[in-house]
Amino acid sequence: GAVVSQHPSRVICKSGTSVKIECRSLDFQATTMFWYRQFPKQSLMLMATSNEGSKATYEQGVEKDKFLINHASLTLSTLTVTSAHPEDSSFYICSARAGGKKNTGELFFGEGSRLTVL
Amino acid sequence: AQSVTQLDSQVPVFEEAPVELRCNYSSSVSVYLFWYVQYPNQGLQLLLKYLSGSTLVKGINGFEAEFNKSQTSFHLRKPSVHISDTAEYFCAVISLSGGYNKLIFGAGTRLAVHP
Repeated sequence: GAVVSQHPSRVICKSGTSVKIECRSLDFQATTMFWYRQFPKQSLMLMATSNEGSKATYEQGVEKDKFLINHASLTLSTLTVTSAHPEDSSFYICSARAGGKKNTGELFFGEGSRLTVL
Repeated sequence: AQSVTQLDSQVPVFEEAPVELRCNYSSSVSVYLFWYVQYPNQGLQLLLKYLSGSTLVKGINGFEAEFNKSQTSFHLRKPSVHISDTAEYFCAVISLSGGYNKLIFGAGTRLAVHP
């Protein structure tokens, strides 16, 4: 099956610094990628949708200047948490959908990245 | 707007007993439906999906689900659970309209299998 890889899986940073999380589709081209955030013992909340070569579409209540999303190629999307604060600590998960004829409607998920801001 | 309701936040069950995890959705258009499992500190693994065709869908690890359009439900079942099935289970839906077809998750159901 299709593989989506996230890096890093865990990151600890100091308050005020910025952190970048990468999401790569390893064996398919992902025209659309989604970023989710999951708080402990809660469901996944969609943060934003990104399409290759265009600006991301953010869900209501998500600060676009704080959570910068770049989908520079068909296999890579990045989420940058700028000026991170302890309340940004969370589990971030990306997912990707194949484009063109390989689009079956299914999303493939990365392993998740746990961010801890001290 | 689409939404997903998982009626049980926690389901305790004994090993080898059957289990049903309930999921209802709301959408004004056709949908794709999914069940995912999440083990602690891990990402999501797809259990099964309904895109079209037969309403009874079989997935991995002995799970199955039935799409019921009239009741807008997609309940997950397993006839005999194992300790290793203890995890968080998420029902999710994609509405087939508009551009990006966002995947929306239910709140999750914690399945706890006891010996």
